[in-house]
Amino acid sequence: DVVMTQSPLSLPVTLGQPASISCRSSQSLVHSDGNTYLNWFQQRPGQSPRRLIYKVSKRDSGVPDRFSGSGSGTDFTLKISRVEAEDVGVYYCMQGTHWLRTFGQGTKVEIQ
Amino acid sequence: EVQLVESGGDLVKPGGSLRLSCAASGFNFSNDWMSWVRQAPGKGLEWVGRIKRKIDGTTDYAAPVKGRFTVSRDDSKNTIYLQMNSLETEDTAVYYCTTDPPGLYWGQGTLVTVSS
Repeated sequence: DVVMTQSPLSLPVTLGQPASISCRSSQSLVHSDGNTYLNWFQQRPGQSPRRLIYKVSKRDSGVPDRFSGSGSGTDFTLKISRVEAEDVGVYYCMQGTHWLRTFGQGTKVEIQ
Repeated sequence: EVQLVESGGDLVKPGGSLRLSCAASGFNFSNDWMSWVRQAPGKGLEWVGRIKRKIDGTTDYAAPVKGRFTVSRDDSKNTIYLQMNSLETEDTAVYYCTTDPPGLYWGQGTLVTVSS
């Protein structure tokens, strides 16, 4: 199975400051169709996961433009340009390229 | 509006069985692959398994549940199921249904507790 490794696992941030989460896969996430199926999810306390980003960098409808995704191959990053209070929660990367889907361990974002 | 509504979660003893359901509405269900994802208390998300469209027919499972869990679907009811057998305490989790790969649409989850 493809192992997804996130860092850091805990991210204290200051309101209004940027934040960055790294996600690395144990195998390339480039699919045979040429796409890279790397998603980012946000899970607020007590809620179901919500997809923010798909195919590395495409933002879902309604997702604030302060969220951005980048990367290629095995290295990916989620960035929040200016953290707001509502961004508190756990963020997960997930690969949908390989047959058995796998999630990263999650990164807990909290306001310091 | 797309809705996924899970049900069937319960308290069950180790070695027992349980069947979860997920009723879908608001999208072309029969054309979509569907999956189950679980989250143990205080832990991260874990993909459990998926079922393709009826015409494709097949299912796939994560290693921890392979041979014990079975995903099925009834397109006439817009519903998928997760039959869980030989349950272990490590299967205690909130179980979510979603599309496959996991994407935009998720249910609210249903809690399965395996304990003696």
